[in-house]
Amino acid sequence: EAGVAQSPRYKIIEKRQSVAFWCNPISGHATLYWYQQILGQGPKLLIQFQNNGVVDDSQLPKDRFSAERLKGVDSTLKIQPAKLEDSAVYLCASSQTQGALGNEQFFGPGTRLTVL
Amino acid sequence: AQTVTQSQPEMSVQEAETVTLSCTYDTSESDYYLFWYKQPPSRQMILVIRQEAYKQQNATENRFSVNFQKAAKSFSLKISDSQLGDAAMYFCAYRRSRRYDMRFGAGTRLTVKP
Repeated sequence: EAGVAQSPRYKIIEKRQSVAFWCNPISGHATLYWYQQILGQGPKLLIQFQNNGVVDDSQLPKDRFSAERLKGVDSTLKIQPAKLEDSAVYLCASSQTQGALGNEQFFGPGTRLTVL
Repeated sequence: AQTVTQSQPEMSVQEAETVTLSCTYDTSESDYYLFWYKQPPSRQMILVIRQEAYKQQNATENRFSVNFQKAAKSFSLKISDSQLGDAAMYFCAYRRSRRYDMRFGAGTRLTVKP
């Protein structure tokens, strides 16, 4: 079974530029998560999708971050414009069912973003 | 607000020995789940073990076991017979029942010495 795919693996941009990350979840997984992991910290949930609808985006900085999951499969996360503090690893995860009893989230390899 | 604290930024263990990683959490909920995730240098997070708060029995997965102390809000991970492949960042995480937002601790970097 293929895992969660993410691209690109690395991205370096200058502040005020735009950047987009792509995630392809495990086939059949209805729920998709985007996390931000700043160096030295644990992952922080940015947004969660159930199929193509947003379930929770309370921690997404909506003035500069946006995400979509058209057709309920792939997802993109965009930052526009980027700030220095956005430097982090962006992790995508997927799971079979929203809120199921302790159901497991499967993580992708992440995209390491460096903002100069 | 729920918080997860891992007080050991780094730990080391000799190969084949046992190590315990600590985690405490703060919550007013009675129904929740606790997790330990492993993140090797490649950055792919992998679930190691999980514990349902309503279960008194400590979870075990092969060489990995937990010591869940609900009253003390403590959730430690014990790794027995440590192997070189166990070297990684370990994150403790908390999730309320029927919720999706998982809270992670800051992580513990485990080094395994041959």
